[in-house]
Amino acid sequence: KAGVTQTPRYLIKTRGQQVTLSCSPISGHRSVSWYQQTPGQGLQFLFEYFSETQRNKGNFPGRFSGRQFSNSRSEMNVSTLELGDSALYLCASSLGGGLATRRGDTQYFGPGTRLTVL
Amino acid sequence: AQSVAQPEDQVNVAEGNPLTVKCTYSVSGNPYLFWYVQYPNRGLQFLLKYITGDNLVKGSYGFEAEFNKSQTSFHLKKPSALVSDSALYFCAVRANNNAGNMLTFGGGTRLMVKP
Repeated sequence: KAGVTQTPRYLIKTRGQQVTLSCSPISGHRSVSWYQQTPGQGLQFLFEYFSETQRNKGNFPGRFSGRQFSNSRSEMNVSTLELGDSALYLCASSLGGGLATRRGDTQYFGPGTRLTVL
Repeated sequence: AQSVAQPEDQVNVAEGNPLTVKCTYSVSGNPYLFWYVQYPNRGLQFLLKYITGDNLVKGSYGFEAEFNKSQTSFHLKKPSALVSDSALYFCAVRANNNAGNMLTFGGGTRLMVKP
């Protein structure tokens, strides 16, 4: 099976711009989660989507948003970029259903999108 | 709220020696616990997880972890370290409930294995 894919792998933007990142989950996985990784804050949960609905949300401002499509692919959007948004954005997919959740529902991560805000 | 602590920023070990990377957690109710490894410019790779049952969990690449409920710990171990094990290791927790998949990660421990 192909793993989680993320596009693009690298992005350079300037302050005030907006950006959209894309994630394609492993085939058959219906849950997609997004994480931000920075040297200062470490790995922080952004949000999770399951069956096109946001199921969980982390403590990030409203500039960060996401969505999931019927084929489970997900996008996240960051508007009005700030310098502090420079980070590695990781997407993870998992089965997501009730039975999987009770069995730990392992998340598998993509390679990430490196966003640099100038 | 749930949290994870990895008390060591870096662990140094000689090749062939056993290694331990420490993790303690806090969560309401029973935990699901995970270990991931990250190589430079890569995403996280899943190593192993604890759900329930045996306290000793075996995972990929010869790694294992021991769950200790009384000490709220989930330390990662390997009997004989390899230079190729050098990487960044993350412990993560989430509550054993049906509230979805929000993982809380520790700050990471850099493992350096010297030849």
